[in-house]
Amino acid sequence: EAGVTQFPSHSVIEKGQTVTLRCDPISGHDNLYWYRRVMGKEIKFLLHFVKESKQDESGMPNNRFLAERTGGTYSTLKVQPAELEDSGVYFCASSQRQGFGYTFGSGTRLTVV
Amino acid sequence: GQQLNQSPQSMFIQEGEDVSMNCTSSSIFNTWLWYKQEPGEGPVLLIALYKAGELTSNGRLTAQFGITRKDSFLNISASIPSDVGIYFCAGMNYGGSQGNLIFGKGTKLSVKP
Repeated sequence: EAGVTQFPSHSVIEKGQTVTLRCDPISGHDNLYWYRRVMGKEIKFLLHFVKESKQDESGMPNNRFLAERTGGTYSTLKVQPAELEDSGVYFCASSQRQGFGYTFGSGTRLTVV
Repeated sequence: GQQLNQSPQSMFIQEGEDVSMNCTSSSIFNTWLWYKQEPGEGPVLLIALYKAGELTSNGRLTAQFGITRKDSFLNISASIPSDVGIYFCAGMNYGGSQGNLIFGKGTKLSVKP
């Protein structure tokens, strides 16, 4: 089966610009998670979708971040406007059962300059 | 929020040596997980632990879920060059609306042939 796919793999944008990251989960996985790792720090939870609904968005840093999962398939994470501290690697993961059998994507490395 | 202390931060070892790393938390978890991340890839699950005191092996890897539910360790025996990467511990409390992972900062392992 295809794994979790993230696009783009790298993105370099200027401060103030908008960037949209995309995640395609494993087919049939209702649970989709976004995580972020800022340089040298731990990987931190951002939010969790169950199908198209936001189950938990307690990790979203601020209202410049908007995540959607229309139709319960792929998800997008938009950062608008981007700030320097948003730089990091954004990981998406999916699972069939909540909390079990996570599969992570390869991540999107975002650099804000 | 919950935090995990993972140590050591990095290790430089000779091929064939054994490796040990651990994670501690100020709060309890009902699941401990160990992941490995290689450059350009997302974290890949190595071992999952679901019961306090549980000792689980996966090839040359052995991990234990501490009795207090506040710690876990990972051992790698007879290291080989392909063991190089960043190892992350993660704790989780599943059930209800939970299911997100709390990660340690990672242990970067370098193996000299």
